[in-house]
Amino acid sequence: NAGVMQNPRHLVRRRGQEARLRCSPMKGHSHVYWYRQLPEEGLKFMVYLQKENIIDESGMPKERFSAEFPKEGPSILRIQQVVRGDSAAYFCASSPGLAGSNEQFFGPGTRLTVL
Amino acid sequence: AQKITQTQPGMFVQEKEAVTLDCTYDTSDPSYGLFWYKQPSSGEMIFLIYQGSYDQQNATEGRYSLNFQKARKSANLVISASQLGDSAMYFCAMRENGGYQKVTFGTGTKLQVIP
Repeated sequence: NAGVMQNPRHLVRRRGQEARLRCSPMKGHSHVYWYRQLPEEGLKFMVYLQKENIIDESGMPKERFSAEFPKEGPSILRIQQVVRGDSAAYFCASSPGLAGSNEQFFGPGTRLTVL
Repeated sequence: AQKITQTQPGMFVQEKEAVTLDCTYDTSDPSYGLFWYKQPSSGEMIFLIYQGSYDQQNATEGRYSLNFQKARKSANLVISASQLGDSAMYFCAMRENGGYQKVTFGTGTKLQVIP
């Protein structure tokens, strides 16, 4: 049973380009969360999605960032016109969304470097 | 106000000794969950242990135990018989059940195990 998969593992972009980060949740999981970890810091919640719905995007910057979780395929975190401050590790986590489920399973992260 | 506070940026422990990593939290939600994650230098987030706010007993998982003191709002992680492979960043985290399973992380403690 494969865990949460994220690709690419490392992504380098120049300022002004777009970054697309993909997350495939664990099999049977319908809830996806994106977190950002800046260097030397803890993880910060960005957005929580269920299939075709954004449930909570209170941690997402208002501009340039968007997320989707389509009916088919992985969840995508999209960053337009990247700036150096976007350099960070972006983690995706998934859960089955069942009442009483205690754990979010994390992917290995995508490390974004903006030159 | 910080929801999760980890006051120890770095800790050292001798191999085979026990170590306690501190975590305090702040919430007005009567129902919540507390987590500890390990992040080795390779970067992945590894789930260690979970404590629910209504759990009567402290959680244990192998060499990990959670010292849950509800009145003090503390959830310290105890690692017994430290091993060199325990050297990593450790993050305390909380999910408030009114918050769509969004998890809030502390800033982490870097543990180094000395041979």
